Amino acid sequence: LAKTTQPISMDSYEGQEVNITCSHNNIATNDYITWYQQFPSQGPRFIIQGYKTKVTNEVASLFIPADRKSSTLSLPRVSLSDTAVYYCPRQGAQKLVFGQGTRLTINP
Amino acid sequence: NAGVTQTPKFRILKIGQSMTLQCTQDMNHNYMYWYRQDPGMGLKLIYYSVGAGITDKGEVPNGYNVSRSTTEDFPLRLELAAPSQTSVYFCASRSTGPGLAGGPVSYNEQFFGPGTRLTVL
Repeated sequence: LAKTTQPISMDSYEGQEVNITCSHNNIATNDYITWYQQFPSQGPRFIIQGYKTKVTNEVASLFIPADRKSSTLSLPRVSLSDTAVYYCPRQGAQKLVFGQGTRLTINP
Repeated sequence: NAGVTQTPKFRILKIGQSMTLQCTQDMNHNYMYWYRQDPGMGLKLIYYSVGAGITDKGEVPNGYNVSRSTTEDFPLRLELAAPSQTSVYFCASRSTGPGLAGGPVSYNEQFFGPGTRLTVL
């Protein structure tokens, strides 16, 4: 059964680059890898999606190795406003299955 | 576009009462989802729909019912409220991705509503 695993929490400081890694156990050939961000009292928000190699947008970069068994979300030069929970949900048939996510805290 | 809207924002129910959480999207998305999120936890899928007239169970469907009579609306019904249903409920929708040439269909982003905070006492 496919599942994703990520750290429960991480801490960093303003201006640093933060990398959050997710393992994708038994990821299916046709599955994309997506990441979501959730601020307190809000619904999750899509950040980035990729299938393989590297994807970059205005918010983050996503690194996916050739074997696709893991992915790394990279947030450059974080600020206090990047404090949030980050999810790498498992893609099931027609739906996403969210785990507990990684609670990222950015300190001044 | 308003995106995904949910009503009400807050609600307090007594044990055994019933209510319907409303969800509407104006993006003409085929797929719609209901999640619940308990304090400090991740999201758990309750029900989802791939189009009008088609619904299916998620991870935690017990105690809930859904219907999808139109593309826009996906209401969630609680028949006999229990304290275990105290949670924040999120509705989401998405369209089908265009896919890579010759490759898998991409899973387009899910748009989430602002949530309904429900307390059952």
